[in-house]
Amino acid sequence: AQSVTQLDSQVPVFEEAPVELRCNYSSSVSVYLFWYVQYPNQGLQLLLKYLSGSTLVKGINGFEAEFNKSQTSFHLRKPSVHISDTAEYFCAVSNAGGTSYGKLTFGQGTILTVHP
Amino acid sequence: EAGVAQSPRYKIIEKRQSVAFWCNPISGHATLYWYQQILGQGPKLLIQFQNNGVVDDSQLPKDRFSAERLKGVDSTLKIQPAKLEDSAVYLCASSPSSSVNTDTQYFGPGTRLTVL
Repeated sequence: AQSVTQLDSQVPVFEEAPVELRCNYSSSVSVYLFWYVQYPNQGLQLLLKYLSGSTLVKGINGFEAEFNKSQTSFHLRKPSVHISDTAEYFCAVSNAGGTSYGKLTFGQGTILTVHP
Repeated sequence: EAGVAQSPRYKIIEKRQSVAFWCNPISGHATLYWYQQILGQGPKLLIQFQNNGVVDDSQLPKDRFSAERLKGVDSTLKIQPAKLEDSAVYLCASSPSSSVNTDTQYFGPGTRLTVL
C-alpha cells in the first residue's frame, strides 16, 4: 500500500517571497511522483511530475520539485510567488510498474495563500 | 482541445435519493477515472476504466455506487441510495493511456454533491 503525507495543511506567504510545500510518501515499490494544483472551482491541473532521471524537476508557472529517495520526499518550491499562485496543491504517487494501471494516491492537500 | 466535461456542476439531494453524474473525457483518451474528494481531503479513486472495461474498482462502494462507460467514451456514475457521507466533489479524469503509469491525468471541474 502507498500513502502520501503533506506536512502542512495551510501555508500563508507574502507576494514575492519563496515558498516550499512539503510532501513525504511511503511505498514498498518504486514510484512516480506528481504535483497537481487546484484553483477555486476548477479541476486539478498537473504542475510537474518525476518519472526518472534528474531528481530536480521543473514544471509550469516557475515551480520545481526535488525527489529525495533516501528521505522519501518530493517537496515543491517556488523562489518568488504571485497572488495568482493562491490555490490548493496536491502531491500524488503512482506505482512505477506492476498492475496498478496508473492509480494515483493523493495527499491531503496544502492550501497556499499569497498575501499582497 | 476541449477538456474533460462534467455535468451537473452542483447537485443537492436528500438522503436515500438517487443521483447520477456524467463525464465526457478528452477525445481519444482511452482511460477514464472517477474520484471522490471529500472536503479537506485529497481525491480518492473510485473506479478506473480502460476503454469500456473496468481495471480497478476496489474502492467503489458497490452496494450503492455503480458506473459504466458505454462505447468507451462517455461515462456515468450513479449513487443509489445516497447517504450523508456521500457529500463530496466527484471528479472525472482521463488520460491518453500511451503508458498509463506515467500518463498525465486531465481533470474535469467536478460535480459538487450535497446530501441533506
